[in-house]
Amino acid sequence: AQSVTQLGSHVSVSEGALVLLRCNYSSSVPPYLFWYVQYPNQGLQLLLKYTSAATLVKGINGFEAEFKKSETSFHLTKPSAHMSDAAEYFCAVLRGGYNKLIFGAGTRLAVHP
Amino acid sequence: GAGVSQSPSNKVTEKGKDVELRCDPISGHTALYWYRQSLGQGLEFLIYFQGNSAPDKSGLPSDRFSAERTGGSVSTLTIQRTQQEDSAVYLCASSPEGGNTEAFFGQGTRLTVV
Repeated sequence: AQSVTQLGSHVSVSEGALVLLRCNYSSSVPPYLFWYVQYPNQGLQLLLKYTSAATLVKGINGFEAEFKKSETSFHLTKPSAHMSDAAEYFCAVLRGGYNKLIFGAGTRLAVHP
Repeated sequence: GAGVSQSPSNKVTEKGKDVELRCDPISGHTALYWYRQSLGQGLEFLIYFQGNSAPDKSGLPSDRFSAERTGGSVSTLTIQRTQQEDSAVYLCASSPEGGNTEAFFGQGTRLTVV
């Protein structure tokens, strides 16, 4: 069965610093992978997704993620954090041909001046 | 048209009562998901509907939980004999086809069982 592990339930960075949110997946077949963001008091919205095309995926708001099969990872990065990036971020996995989207526990990102 | 709509946005109920939560998906979306979001617990999959196929109910935590989707559109999640541990935000999402297409989420229903 597929699963997702997000390392670090809380991450705090300074404005302008690199953002790195970690996600490792387990899947017996090549997966589809997603990052969603949830701003305070809002629903989830898609940041980016990996669907077996390019391994480096660019998303909205300057975020990107790299699929590394050897490490079973799909870490989310952004070169320079903005205050507006403060939110909760969820990694999700969906096995090809199987439609249940499984989410990680989430990482809350705080950005301080 | 509009995004995924859920109602009510907030629901407070007494322990032991039944509740119904409603989800209006985006028009034309054939796939519909229900998730539960508890504090610090991430998103817990509950049930998945895809077109006319039998729903995937593997995430429903107990037989007090049920869901239906009428006419391939509106879905209702019912919790019978609510317990305090049912308190959470219940999220609905829809997508055009399921699979690797993007799932669009509603704002959720915050359920509080007192």
